[in-house]
Amino acid sequence: GQQLNQSPQSMFIQEGEDVSMNCTSSSIFNTWLWYKQEPGEGPVLLIALYKAGELTSNGRLTAQFGITRKDSFLNISASIPSDVGIYFCAGATGNQFYFGTGTSLTVIP
Amino acid sequence: DARVTQTPRHKVTEMGQEVTMRCQPILGHNTVFWYRQTMMQGLELLAYFRNRAPLDDSGMPKDRFSAEMPDATLATLKIQPSEPRDSAVYFCASGFSLVTGTRGLQETQYFGPGTRLLVL
Repeated sequence: GQQLNQSPQSMFIQEGEDVSMNCTSSSIFNTWLWYKQEPGEGPVLLIALYKAGELTSNGRLTAQFGITRKDSFLNISASIPSDVGIYFCAGATGNQFYFGTGTSLTVIP
Repeated sequence: DARVTQTPRHKVTEMGQEVTMRCQPILGHNTVFWYRQTMMQGLELLAYFRNRAPLDDSGMPKDRFSAEMPDATLATLKIQPSEPRDSAVYFCASGFSLVTGTRGLQETQYFGPGTRLLVL
């Protein structure tokens, strides 16, 4: 099925650094979702975005719905070791969800 | 704290055996999705229900897979007969879809913990 272009594929950062990842698509979406998945668990919803240009925060996480509706980014400020995991974006349109390939985040204490 | 529940969490079976996975969506949600996750393919959509009606199962091998929602509190995914290539993590997700006109606006989606299937 269709997949979104998510980058970077992996990140290794020092604790305390900020993180930025993004998803792009050639298609327009009505909804953007960001998930975090830890080993052995299902993806956990972090942030949901419903309007172009919308900027939403959840603690140290901030995500934006791109103006063109074809992209979204997720920022994590002041990373901590428990931020480790794989982050997925998902775009929804016409009752379908399409997932990015994931960004693997490693935080070095 | 409402959650999607899935059973079993782990399943090891022999090739040719039937596998049944169950999912209890979050109360009040009207959509249910079944996904398969592997290292190679990532998350693949297998089936999608809205108000218990199957809307899309194009991602599912029809000859061996079947998905049903006998009632609003239970969704099932069956594999018969199972094959080693079916080994993966199977996720159920539920959400609420606000349907406007002929195009649905899917608002959100919450995943269950998954069923880890190993077919020997």
